[in-house]
Amino acid sequence: EPEVTQTPSHQVTQMGQEVILRCVPISNHLYFYWYRQILGQKVEFLVSFYNNEISEKSEIFDDQFSVERPDGSNFTLKIRSTKLEDSAMYFCASSDRLAGAAEQYFGPGTRLTVT
Amino acid sequence: QKEVEQNSGPLSVPEGAIASLNCTYSDRGSQSFFWYRQYSGKSPELIMSIYSNGDKEDGRFTAQLNKASQYVSLLIRDSQPSDSATYLCAVKAEAGSYQLTFGKGTKLSVIP
Repeated sequence: EPEVTQTPSHQVTQMGQEVILRCVPISNHLYFYWYRQILGQKVEFLVSFYNNEISEKSEIFDDQFSVERPDGSNFTLKIRSTKLEDSAMYFCASSDRLAGAAEQYFGPGTRLTVT
Repeated sequence: QKEVEQNSGPLSVPEGAIASLNCTYSDRGSQSFFWYRQYSGKSPELIMSIYSNGDKEDGRFTAQLNKASQYVSLLIRDSQPSDSATYLCAVKAEAGSYQLTFGKGTKLSVIP
């Protein structure tokens, strides 16, 4: 069964450093998403991406964040200058459509620890 | 501010019983509704989706939607210890919106 994959599973970085989280969405999916979950809190939407551009973003997704689809399979989230409060699980998701019950399938996540 | 509310639990049910999980949402224009299961330290796993009023059944799971009451529920029949997890309700807003808004989740514990 096709699934979303993410690398690395765990990333430790120092405050102020740049990190890139990588995702390979399900191959025939067209819509890609990043969510995050701070320990003990809700899953929160960050950004959605379709047709090589951002389609929607939340207030969390400020200028420190960027997304890119560098090739036909990868989808990346970059955090330019990490802060302690960026420590969270970051989930990539993908879906094959937008309308109706556009089901989003989540990857296993990257645990980001900022020290 | 779009809100999705769930009882945090824990909800404890004996093995073989029916577990009933509830969710309310604030945005009346919401279109689609999803239940995810999340084991501790893992990612959300999609269980059910529903976007029409009424019931939708898939194996041991039944999702129920009442848009007039802004209420979604998930029933798990013949609960198993492996069903012990946190169940997340997620809501997709109006057509053309991409994001899911999640509740905090209800922790379910199935006692053998």
